[in-house]
Amino acid sequence: DAGITQSPRYKITETGRQVTLMCHQTWSHSYMFWYRQDLGHGLRLIYYSAAADITDKGEVPDGYVVSRSKTENFPLTLESATRSQTSVYFCASSNRDRGLHRQFFGPGTRLTVL
Amino acid sequence: AQSVTQLDSQVPVFEEAPVELRCNYSSSVSVYLFWYVQYPNQGLQLLLKYLSGSTLVKGINGFEAEFNKSQTSFHLRKPSVHISDTAEYFCAVSEAQSNTGKLIFGQGTTLQVKP
Repeated sequence: DAGITQSPRYKITETGRQVTLMCHQTWSHSYMFWYRQDLGHGLRLIYYSAAADITDKGEVPDGYVVSRSKTENFPLTLESATRSQTSVYFCASSNRDRGLHRQFFGPGTRLTVL
Repeated sequence: AQSVTQLDSQVPVFEEAPVELRCNYSSSVSVYLFWYVQYPNQGLQLLLKYLSGSTLVKGINGFEAEFNKSQTSFHLRKPSVHISDTAEYFCAVSEAQSNTGKLIFGQGTTLQVKP
């Protein structure tokens, strides 16, 4: 049981190309999140999802698109990659238990946009 | 809205010495507080959390943190560090009883343990 996985782990692409980062969790958690990690900024929330077909913007959503047709998958798409989107991307999932969410993080995807 | 400030970007310390990583937060509502650790090339792992009650919380790997409401701080401490504690540490907050569980992270502190 892998828990939460991300693919690819490393990706190099060029400016203007479309890139999709995959996230898959095996716990049937309702909530899923995408963060980007940049030096000096910590992790910032891009998008999140409360359930299948329910998504909402986070702190830095511009340039990204998400979908959630199945509970276990939450892909993140960069429709036209820019150099400023070079970052490490983390997916997380959680359930709400007695008012508390405990988020579990994937291993991350390191994306370089040339 | 909430915000988190980690006051030190890097903390070098010798092995077996004590360490404190500082975290201040601001919020107009009640919050839950968390410390996460990130080892090189890995995702984040939860070290400890404060929800309510006792202001001193203990976590994994010998870490503890103290919630100070008047100073809006949640500093992380360990009395004696090991080489294996070298990692990035993140303080985070979420709105208490939040439906979404969204986390707001600090900028991170790199703990460098030297032999």
